[in-house]
Amino acid sequence: GAGVSQSPSNKVTEKGKDVELRCDPISGHTALYWYRQRLGQGLEFLIYFQGNSAPDKSGLPSDRFSAERTGESVSTLTIQRTQQEDSAVYLCASSPRGDRNTIYFGEGSWLTVV
Amino acid sequence: AQSVAQPEDQVNVAEGNPLTVKCTYSVSGNPYLFWYVQYPNRGLQFLLKYITGDNLVKGSYGFEAEFNKSQTSFHLKKPSALVSDSALYFCAVRREGYQKVTFGTGTKLQVIP
Repeated sequence: GAGVSQSPSNKVTEKGKDVELRCDPISGHTALYWYRQRLGQGLEFLIYFQGNSAPDKSGLPSDRFSAERTGESVSTLTIQRTQQEDSAVYLCASSPRGDRNTIYFGEGSWLTVV
Repeated sequence: AQSVAQPEDQVNVAEGNPLTVKCTYSVSGNPYLFWYVQYPNRGLQFLLKYITGDNLVKGSYGFEAEFNKSQTSFHLKKPSALVSDSALYFCAVRREGYQKVTFGTGTKLQVIP
């Protein structure tokens, strides 16, 4: 389909390793969000990209987290030196230029740090 | 700053009865309000939004929500609940002119046959 695509869908990693999560937004969507959802909890905003503007990084929990996006295409979220508390679902979402009030979510990347 | 509160972790309702899922918000400026639903092992799906205009907003699957500025609320409602409505519901807010969308902690809706 033409929805938001995230990979990997599941990732188990050892504590201390780095992980990279990928998001392919819907084609033509200028805005892209990353959220984190811990088990049984709500969505925690991480970062927002809008076109070529400077991203809003205010939700990144520590300097171990970073994200990049080139133009209006793919985004990667990188977590360095993973900790067990990083275990969560990482959700990517995008919205089109003409309707920034409707956000389309991907299925998420389930990260388990052991 | 902006925030959303969903005071109920879980709501139980009998099939066929009306349902309400509560949401209150805090934002400086005009709020844009949203409801999303998350079915088990699925991503979030957009239900409805309030931007401006009529305080009663109708959305997908027969859901509606009422914006109440004086009570800073945006409760989700449905006249007759279905078992298939059982899911996790999230309220969200965005301040006009800003892009960051803040979500609540979610309310689990259980519709009992």
